[in-house]
Amino acid sequence: SQTIHQWPATLVQPVGSPLSLECTVEGTSNPNLYWYRQAAGRGLQLLFYSVGIGQISSEVPQNLSASRPQDRQFILSSKKLLLSDSGFYLCAWSVERPGETQYFGPGTRLLVL
Amino acid sequence: GEDVEQSLFLSVREGDSSVINCTYTDSSSTYLYWYKQEPGAGLQLLTYIFSNMDMKQDQRLTVLLNKKDKHLSLRIADTQTGDSAIYFCAEIPMNTGFQKLVFGTGTRLLVSP
Repeated sequence: SQTIHQWPATLVQPVGSPLSLECTVEGTSNPNLYWYRQAAGRGLQLLFYSVGIGQISSEVPQNLSASRPQDRQFILSSKKLLLSDSGFYLCAWSVERPGETQYFGPGTRLLVL
Repeated sequence: GEDVEQSLFLSVREGDSSVINCTYTDSSSTYLYWYKQEPGAGLQLLTYIFSNMDMKQDQRLTVLLNKKDKHLSLRIADTQTGDSAIYFCAEIPMNTGFQKLVFGTGTRLLVSP
């Protein structure tokens, strides 16, 4: 069966510090991968998606970047965090067929102080 | 355009039925989803419905789809305290050229004993 992992689970970082959140998927090959952010009291916003190694699409301009160095690894990064980057970051995967269900990881709660 | 709307809160008593409503604006959406998010956790897929269906039932869950009005609802029968969570509806507009899930803002369901 497929599983998706995210770490760390919780992170507190000062403004201006770098960020690296990791997401890995097991039990499937060539998944589509996604990064979402959920701000406090709000819905989910798609940040990035990837259809393959090294292929990243950005949905909204922001202070963050994403990379996919391996088939089942998706990394969310920032060189300098802003206060507004605080939120709950969710990684998801789906098979590559259009319209397929997305399955979510447990999330990383990021607090920027 | 893409816009999914939900009411923010719903409060019910244990044993009652809960109905969570959602409206969407993109008529090209062919897949519609309900996700559940418990406090501090990721999103759990509850159920989904294809646009060629009017209703789908899965144990205590019933999904109703009114394509004419672009209205989706989730009914939870015999609501339990463990059902307390945030419920998100989501669509995949097929005109985006990709599996971009567009989420509503979520409905917080509170079940009291």
